[in-house]
Amino acid sequence: GQQLNQSPQSMFIQEGEDVSMNCTSSSIFNTWLWYKQDPGEGPVLLIALYKAGELTSNGRLTAQFGITRKDSFLNISASIPSDVGIYFCAGRTGTASKLTFGTGTRLQVTL
Amino acid sequence: DGGITQSPKYLFRKEGQNVTLSCEQNLNHDAMYWYRQDPGQGLRLIYYSQIVNDFQKGDIAEGYSVSREKKESFPLTVTSAQKNPTAFYLCASSTSYTDTQYFGPGTRLTVL
Repeated sequence: GQQLNQSPQSMFIQEGEDVSMNCTSSSIFNTWLWYKQDPGEGPVLLIALYKAGELTSNGRLTAQFGITRKDSFLNISASIPSDVGIYFCAGRTGTASKLTFGTGTRLQVTL
Repeated sequence: DGGITQSPKYLFRKEGQNVTLSCEQNLNHDAMYWYRQDPGQGLRLIYYSQIVNDFQKGDIAEGYSVSREKKESFPLTVTSAQKNPTAFYLCASSTSYTDTQYFGPGTRLTVL
């Protein structure tokens, strides 16, 4: 099955810094989702995007549905220690298609 | 509280034994899913069910089996035919197949 490419694979940042990560696909997607997974736990939904160009925020998190519909971006502003975890993108190519997950971006925050 | 529960959190089994992982949801969701997660990889779909008494294979169904006799429950059996069963297993559910999926806390299976 297809997997989405996420970049970067891992990031080490200092508390207070902003973070950017992205997800790309060779196929056009009509839905993009961003999840966060804490160590040893299941992923938790952060943001859902349904329209090309859409920009949606959830607190310090902002995600965008790329205009080409082949990518999506997640930004975290003013990072804090509890932002540590793995961030996954996921998307659908069609309304009845299965959800495809990215390979994840591991975020580490240092004080 | 509504949610998805998976039990146990950690499971150890000897090689060659079948093992069943539990997944229960009280969200009244029609669709349920099983994923496998390995280090450094994304989630891979094992099986999914869109409605009671119906289920379909995902991308990596070999060596696994499921049942969906009740709307709330979707147990996964890891059989001895699964060549590399040690992994983190995640169950998810959604209102329907096309809706956003919500995940349980996961079960870490270690085969010795």
